[in-house]
Amino acid sequence: ETGVTQTPRHLVMGMTNKKSLKCEQHLGHNAMYWYKQSAKKPLELMFVYSLEERVENNSVPSRFSPECPNSSHLFLHLHTLQPEDSALYLCASSQSFDRVGQPQHFGDGTRLSIL
Amino acid sequence: DQQVKQNSPSLSVQEGRISILNCDYTNSMFDYFLWYKKYPAEGPTFLISISSIKDKNEDGRFTVFLNKSAKHLSLHIVPSQPGDSAVYFCAASGWLSVRGKLIFGQGTELSVKP
Repeated sequence: ETGVTQTPRHLVMGMTNKKSLKCEQHLGHNAMYWYKQSAKKPLELMFVYSLEERVENNSVPSRFSPECPNSSHLFLHLHTLQPEDSALYLCASSQSFDRVGQPQHFGDGTRLSIL
Repeated sequence: DQQVKQNSPSLSVQEGRISILNCDYTNSMFDYFLWYKKYPAEGPTFLISISSIKDKNEDGRFTVFLNKSAKHLSLHIVPSQPGDSAVYFCAASGWLSVRGKLIFGQGTELSVKP
């Protein structure tokens, strides 16, 4: 139990579907992150939210749309995805984005498959 | 340009022996380094970290060594146990370079054989 919960754990969708990934943290943290992990590649940071404000968007295509309604919840809205978007999507949280070196706590991820 | 590299995709070690996982970085502005462990179907979990003002940090069976001049760090696991079999990621951070972000390597898969 890491204190970060992601749902669903697995998702299969067609390229024309719209779906959302959900992340919830119970650690009282102020920063939340979305990462993409493809096979044999480093974790790629997609978005960072600090105190519900987006502070980082790493050139992510607009078919991925994040939402952070409060400091405990983070969503990733998906629409018209491509087959190369199939990957493990990880959510993480940390106490503060402004404190260097503190560990981020990860959820178990959503395994996304695009047909 | 990959700023954090783990050049060994896999490592196999006998139970009870030492496991040494290596990581190299290119950005001299990094000043904090972390190691994560990841089991299949789970997210990465934080293992141990080291600040650039130190050259060694120890926590039980896990020790991380930092060589700033070589821009190299390593994780030593002694003695290795079958439960240590997982993918290990190193990550780097630095306020002046990447602020609160973590830059990850591509991981090394450790297999500890009984």
